[in-house]
Amino acid sequence: AIRMTQSPSSFSASTGDRVTITCRASQGISSYLAWYQQKPGKAPKLLIYAASTLQSGVPSRFSGSGSGTDFTLTISCLQSEDFATYYCQQYYSYSWTFGQGTKVEIK
Amino acid sequence: EVQLVESGGGLVQPGGSLRLSCAASGFTFSSYSMNWVRQAPGKGLEWVSYISSSSSTIYYADSVKGRFTISRDNAKNSLYLQMNSLRDEDTAVYYCARGSRRTGVDYWGQGTLVTVSS
Repeated sequence: AIRMTQSPSSFSASTGDRVTITCRASQGISSYLAWYQQKPGKAPKLLIYAASTLQSGVPSRFSGSGSGTDFTLTISCLQSEDFATYYCQQYYSYSWTFGQGTKVEIK
Repeated sequence: EVQLVESGGGLVQPGGSLRLSCAASGFTFSSYSMNWVRQAPGKGLEWVSYISSSSSTIYYADSVKGRFTISRDNAKNSLYLQMNSLRDEDTAVYYCARGSRRTGVDYWGQGTLVTVSS
């Protein structure tokens, strides 16, 4: 199975900060990469698919980039509602696999 | 509006069985592949199983292969997961998830909790 490794696992940031989360695949996955946001007690929400395409209704402060094995999620200006856990996921091949998650906490 | 509503979770003893259901609405269910994804308490997301729109292609995670069976009834707009020989490590919230080759998972249900414990 393709292994997805996110970094960092968690960090603290302030409202207004620019933050970047990275995700690395153990083998090439082209652009079959999605990013999800999850808040406590809630289902995940799709933010970005195909590595860089913003899902409808998602604020433009979220962006994604990368292809092959290295990917990034950037939040350009962190808002209070963005404090959550973020997961990357490859859908290049089954078994689909997720990164271990990155928790963004309030500083 | 796309809606996915899971049901059937609960407390079951190790070695027991449970059947989860997912009722879909707001889209043409028979046109989409579907998945089950689970999340153990305080842990990350784990994909469990996939079924194509016509049920012709099915995949399972190694951790559930031979114990879980995914199925669907397009006439009833429903997805199912039959879980047998349940283990402690199957304890998780199980999500019904609409998926595609284009987006990954674009819609998730609210989840149903399965607790395996004696």
